Order: sequence, then C-alpha cells, then structure tokens
Amino acid sequence: GAVVSQHPSRVICKSGTSVKIECRSLDFQATTMFWYRQFPKKSLMLMATSNEGSKATYEQGVEKDKFLINHASLTLSTLTVTSAHPEDSSFYICSARPGGSGRAREQYFGPGTRLTVT
Amino acid sequence: LAKTTQPISMDSYEGQEVNITCSHNNIATNDYITWYQQFPSQGPRFIIQGYKTKVTNEVASLFIPADRKSSTLSLPRVSLSDTAVYYCLVGDAGNTGKLIFGQGTTLQVKP
Repeated sequence: GAVVSQHPSRVICKSGTSVKIECRSLDFQATTMFWYRQFPKKSLMLMATSNEGSKATYEQGVEKDKFLINHASLTLSTLTVTSAHPEDSSFYICSARPGGSGRAREQYFGPGTRLTVT
Repeated sequence: LAKTTQPISMDSYEGQEVNITCSHNNIATNDYITWYQQFPSQGPRFIIQGYKTKVTNEVASLFIPADRKSSTLSLPRVSLSDTAVYYCLVGDAGNTGKLIFGQGTTLQVKP
C-alpha cells in the first residue's frame, strides 16, 4: 500500500521559534498534499491544500504567513510554523493524493507530528 | 462539500457486528463516500469507499441506499483493537480531493 511519512514525529520548541514539519510520499508521486491539525479529542481540521509547484490554498481562518507550506517536489511537502506560540501546540497531520486519473479518489495520511510549544 | 452527521459514540462487545450510520442529505452527484479509522495519536487509516449500493473489502462493508443520503459502515465481529474513532466523509474526491472531517464516531469495544 501507499505510505506517507512525517518528520519529526514529535517536536518541542520554545515560544517565538519556527518549526518545520516534513511530509513525504514514499512509494508514489503526490500531485496534491493536504495539511490538517487536530486538537485533543477533536476532529481533524483542514488547514491547506498544497499542489506541487504552485502556491498552497489555505482554508478560511488559517494564517498563511504563520503556516508556510512548500510543495517543492512530487514527494515532499513542508509545513513551517513560524513564530510558534503555545496555542499552536497541536497534532499536525498531512495526507497525499497520488497523481494519475485512475487514482484520483485515493488519499493516504501520514502518522502525524505532535508539536508542543513551551 | 456535503456535511455529515454520525453518532458521537457507540459501545459494542467483542465478536459482535457493528453498524455505524452516517447521514449526508446534501450529497452531490459526483461525491463519493469514504470511511476512515483513527487511533489516538495516529493519522487516519482508509477503511472503505463507495458510490452506491454495496461495497465489501477484507475489513468492512459499506451499504449505500439508492438515494445516497446516508451510508452504513458494517464491521463484522469486532475485536478490542477496533476501538477507535470512525469518520464518514463525503466529497468529490476525484476533483479537488478535499476531505472535510466531521466529528466522527468513537467506537468502544468491550471484552
């Protein structure tokens, strides 16, 4: 099956610093990747859609200057949380959709990254 | 994107069949119905996807009536390891691919 990895799996950073989270599709090329955040005992909230080689599309209420997304290749998307604050502490999950018309309805999720801002 | 409504929680016992129903009254013609399973501190895992009638795979069945305004995920003979949150999602996965998660159903399987 298709595998999506995230790195790091957990990170602790100090308030005011920036943190980068990587999302990789290991055995397929992902034309589209998505970033979600999830607070404890809550559902996943879509933050943005990332298409390879173009600017990310952010959901309403998500600050694009705070959550920088780069989809530089067909297997890698990165989310950078800039000037992190304790309220940014959350579980960040990415997903990836394979390219090719025959696989358009498939989507695979990464294992998530636990961010704690102190 | 169509909104979904599921029960917040369900309890079951090992070995029983569990049916989780999801309502999606505003489903569009191009929308598919997809179910995901999520364990604590893990990413969601794909269970099953369908458009109409019945779909079955090695872990579950998905029943979709003709009007497609609801769907039922059926888990045969659950075990303790099936305790998780189950999400029903509806969307035009073939187009934007955007998936909007609802509240999900927390299934607790008891011994």
